[in-house]
Amino acid sequence: EIVLTQSPGTLSLSPGERATLSCRASQSVSSVMSSYLAWYQQKPGQAPRLLIYDVSSRATGIPDRFSGSGSGTDFTLTISRLEPEDFAVYYCQQGSFGGGTKVEIK
Amino acid sequence: QVQLQESGPGLVKPSGTLSLTCAVSGGSISSSNWWSWVRLPPGKGLEWIGEIYHSGSTNYNPSLKSRVTISVDNSKNQFSLKLNSVAAADTAVYYCARKGYYLASGHYYFDYWGQGTLVTVSS
Repeated sequence: EIVLTQSPGTLSLSPGERATLSCRASQSVSSVMSSYLAWYQQKPGQAPRLLIYDVSSRATGIPDRFSGSGSGTDFTLTISRLEPEDFAVYYCQQGSFGGGTKVEIK
Repeated sequence: QVQLQESGPGLVKPSGTLSLTCAVSGGSISSSNWWSWVRLPPGKGLEWIGEIYHSGSTNYNPSLKSRVTISVDNSKNQFSLKLNSVAAADTAVYYCARKGYYLASGHYYFDYWGQGTLVTVSS
């Protein structure tokens, strides 16, 4: 079973700053599954929302300040300029979910 | 627009059985998607519980497999979760979600979610 480790646990930033979130898999997947990774955003009291799928494709309606990248065992979610509504918990997923990164207002 | 709605008791006694149902509207449960349960324990992260296809095929989280049963009722367009022998550690917000098929890669992702329902295990 692949375990996803997210870092940092908490990211304290100000609106307008760039956020870089990391997701590391415990082992590399086969070439067929190499594009299998998603990112979700969850705000308190709300259901998670799909942001990124297939490592780097934005889901419907997701602003282009969100971008995903990576390959093998290392993946990254980047928020180019944080908006007030972006402060939330973010999860990566490849089968199971990572432990999450909380992006909080500094 | 696909919508999912969880229903079931909000309080379950220790050693009892947690039972939830997810009603799907705006789309057919017999489509080429998986139907899943995910939970969020207080102060922790998301945990995938398991999933079912309209044919009845299932996949379960190995850590919960011995206690979980997911079933589907195609005629009612809904699917259900049963978790037995519950303990306080099973207290969580339980979500049902659709794992939609993405043609470009052939992968499935959680693209529609219910609002979630809090289930507390307590005597």
